[in-house]
Amino acid sequence: GAVVSQHPSWVICKSGTSVKIECRSLDFQATTMFWYRQFPKQSLMLMATSNEGSKATYEQGVEKDKFLINHASLTLSTLTVTSAHPEDSSFYICSARPLAGGVDTQYFGPGTRLTVL
Amino acid sequence: GQQLNQSPQSMFIQEGEDVSMNCTSSSIFNTWLWYKQDPGEGPVLLIALYKAGELTSNGRLTAQFGITRKDSFLNISASIPSDVGIYFCAGPPQGGSEKLVFGKGTKLTVNP
Repeated sequence: GAVVSQHPSWVICKSGTSVKIECRSLDFQATTMFWYRQFPKQSLMLMATSNEGSKATYEQGVEKDKFLINHASLTLSTLTVTSAHPEDSSFYICSARPLAGGVDTQYFGPGTRLTVL
Repeated sequence: GQQLNQSPQSMFIQEGEDVSMNCTSSSIFNTWLWYKQDPGEGPVLLIALYKAGELTSNGRLTAQFGITRKDSFLNISASIPSDVGIYFCAGPPQGGSEKLVFGKGTKLTVNP
């Protein structure tokens, strides 16, 4: 149980285009999903917290107009990187927390590797 | 914000050896979590610690919650090749209990 999927697993796009990444909780409902970014050989950095039916909360320094987050249902959150540039190339990982779950019940997806040319 | 300092940054060991890594913070954490990340994958929770002084095992893994609440240790006994990966400590920063802050990770390489 507690499986989180991400789609696509990798994507290559041209500079200036937009890319949408999906995060799905497959066997549980999640009111809260988190989006992280991980650069090579670096730690996971929280970008935003996504709550179903409300606006996402972005961490300091993360541009909300560039990284659009939509949490339309209890099993799906999407991250759209708008007007992507090479510096946005990174490993994007989502996590989902079940209803009534605590801080130790964030289940992570397998990540999406974004390369912007 | 609160930061977690992990050491060592990387380790190269022989199969069968024991491994120890630690995580420290200048601030108090009320929960310590240890994750493992395989290449190209998301982190997987190994052990969760909730009380100062707590010692918890998961198979060959043992983790301890420091009594000052500012540090935690993870030990792996009798390492095997599949232990290879990056180990992260993490915890909820004060005032933001639903979020997690991660350490920079310890990359473990096990030579057969």
